[in-house]
Amino acid sequence: AQKITQTQPGMFVQEKEAVTLDCTYDTSDQSYGLFWYKQPSSGEMIFLIYQGSYDEQNATEGRYSLNFQKARKSANLVISASQLGDSAMYFCAMREASNTGTASKLTFGTGTRLQVTL
Amino acid sequence: EAGVAQSPRYKIIEKRQSVAFWCNPISGHATLYWYQQILGQGPKLLIQFQNNGVVDDSQLPKDRFSAERLKGVDSTLKIQPAKLEDSAVYLCASSALGGDTEAFFGQGTRLTVV
Repeated sequence: AQKITQTQPGMFVQEKEAVTLDCTYDTSDQSYGLFWYKQPSSGEMIFLIYQGSYDEQNATEGRYSLNFQKARKSANLVISASQLGDSAMYFCAMREASNTGTASKLTFGTGTRLQVTL
Repeated sequence: EAGVAQSPRYKIIEKRQSVAFWCNPISGHATLYWYQQILGQGPKLLIQFQNNGVVDDSQLPKDRFSAERLKGVDSTLKIQPAKLEDSAVYLCASSALGGDTEAFFGQGTRLTVV
C-alpha cells in the first residue's frame, strides 16, 4: 500500500529565503509519480510540481524544485526566494502506475503548514 | 479552460439529515475523484470514477455515502444520514488518463454537521 509521510507539521521561513519541505514515501511499485500541491487558506488545491520515478533529472517549475532521492524514497520540495504569498499548507502526494488503463488514485500526506515572515 | 466546478461552497445541516454535493469536472477528463478532507489532515479518497464506472470505492462508507456519475461527466456525492464526524471539506478533482497527469481540484464544499 502507498504511504506518504510529511514529518514537519509547521515551518517558518523569512521572506526571500529558501525553504525545504520534507516528504518520504513507501511503495513497492517501480513506476510511480510524485506531486506537490499548495492549499491556501481559501481551500483550493493548486498543483505545483511533478516528478516521475524514472525521471533522472530533478523537476523544476519556476521557484519550485523537487529534490528526488529515489534510493532514500524522498521527494522534498524546495521553494527558493520565499514570498509572503507562499504561506499555505503544502501536500505531497503519490500516484502509483496503473496497468488497467486508468489513472490511479493520488494518496496524500498530512501536509506542512508554511508561514513566510517579513 | 474552465476548472472543476463544485456546489455548494458551504453547507450546514443537522445530524441525521441528508445532503448532496455536485461536481462538474474539466471537459474531457475521464477520471473523477471525490476526496474528504477533515480539518488538519490530508485529503482522503472516497471514490474514483473513470467515465461512469467506479474504479475505487474501498474507503467510501457505503452505509451512508453514495456517489454517481451517470453520463460520465457530472457527479453527485450524497450523505444520508449525516453524522457529526462527516464535518469536513469535500473536494472533487478530475484528471486525464495517464499516471503523470496531475489532478485538478475544485474549491470544495465545506460541510458542517451540528
